[in-house]
Amino acid sequence: QVQLQQWGAGLLKPSETLSLTCAVYGGSFNVYYWSWIRQSPGKGLEWIGEINHSGSTNYNPSLKSRVTISVDTSKNQISLKLSSVTAADTAAYYCATEGGNWFDPWGPGTLVTVSS
Amino acid sequence: QSALTQPRSVSGSPGQSVTISCTGTSSDVGGYNFVSWYQQHPGKAPKLMIFDVSKRPSGVPDRFSGSKSGNTASLTISGLQAEDEADYYCCSYAGIYTYVFGAGTKVTVL
Repeated sequence: QVQLQQWGAGLLKPSETLSLTCAVYGGSFNVYYWSWIRQSPGKGLEWIGEINHSGSTNYNPSLKSRVTISVDTSKNQISLKLSSVTAADTAAYYCATEGGNWFDPWGPGTLVTVSS
Repeated sequence: QSALTQPRSVSGSPGQSVTISCTGTSSDVGGYNFVSWYQQHPGKAPKLMIFDVSKRPSGVPDRFSGSKSGNTASLTISGLQAEDEADYYCCSYAGIYTYVFGAGTKVTVL
């Protein structure tokens, strides 16, 4: 059974780079894709992008210019970097497992606040 | 790539049925049988309830069911229970290896 644990800085200033990491426990790291998804306060969900064990990535076109998702297979970890953040990037960020064209399970989420 | 359209809220009494719609386009919902639904309780991570339009993961009660017609997918909760009160989000594969979510629907059990 896959379990996800995530961490990263929770408070950023505008123009800084958001950096989050998600560790994968259990299951087979090489089988799945891994996604990052965010949820702005009181708003819906937004898919950010995905990566597999070989480093193949796909990104949401609306965020592609600022997003980098990477993988460390030696640690079974994936990472998210989002550059030049603004208040609009304030959200809970989740990592999630893609078993197919769905997301399950999800990590617990990391709340990131962007404020000067 | 626009968010899928969901009603902001639906409500029902215990034991009743409620249906949540999720409307997209032929480029997402209508173009693929890859619609999934997620339940989210306050302060918690979303939980998968339906995948591939109508399939239920192990452990999800059979009172949850999904369907699709054209560009609109639906989630039906039959025999509504108090613990079903939550936010529900639809999601669809949108081609070119991307996904789009709905804005969410709050289900209230009266």
